[in-house]
Amino acid sequence: QKEVEQDPGPLSVPEGAIVSLNCTYSNSAFQYFMWYRQYSRKGPELLMYTYSSGNKEDGRFTAQVDKSSKYISLFIRDSQPSDSATYLCAMSSAGGTSYGKLTFGQGTILTVHP
Amino acid sequence: DGGITQSPKYLFRKEGQNVTLSCEQNLNHDAMYWYRQDPGQGLRLIYYSQIVNDFQKGDIAEGYSVSREKKESFPLTVTSAQKNPTAFYLCASSFSPETRSGNTIYFGEGSWLTVV
Repeated sequence: QKEVEQDPGPLSVPEGAIVSLNCTYSNSAFQYFMWYRQYSRKGPELLMYTYSSGNKEDGRFTAQVDKSSKYISLFIRDSQPSDSATYLCAMSSAGGTSYGKLTFGQGTILTVHP
Repeated sequence: DGGITQSPKYLFRKEGQNVTLSCEQNLNHDAMYWYRQDPGQGLRLIYYSQIVNDFQKGDIAEGYSVSREKKESFPLTVTSAQKNPTAFYLCASSFSPETRSGNTIYFGEGSWLTVV
């Protein structure tokens, strides 16, 4: 079993829809949770960063972490065609120099059509 | 502009050849990383370096080598021992390798390596 599981999709939604992207994980040591967006043939860019459990909102994006269920989500409101990309969840454990050693999900391919 | 520069963007390698991928950053970051991305498998860590002249193996280091002679540079060599080298290679960096809030990891634009 992989440490981080992410539904690869693909996910296709109409413009304006609310999108929900999810990851589950098995390593209870994970404390830092990130969502990256990756356009085709480009490097990932950081969208959201959350420490421990809770919610974080940034514009149209909301990240949720439920450590008791080992489940994280990214919600995109009022989705736009420019949101079409692959979304990767990533996690890291706390302590020492483990931050840069991220464990990634497989990525979910999202297409928002006009 | 500050950022991470990877070169070449596209590279073709013959069987049995070693190739080196360049990664340069002008962000003054201490930590640098190499990840490999295959379809449907997310990103996997190859090597990482916390400071100059020091580096550690990641999860899939076999068939790869790195050096960190300068803070800004972290080249990756894909050796002939790497059995399945065709992939998208991503270099990344962060201000510090320590775990703390706000220590963001930035990625370069990637290098595509194809074995022919």
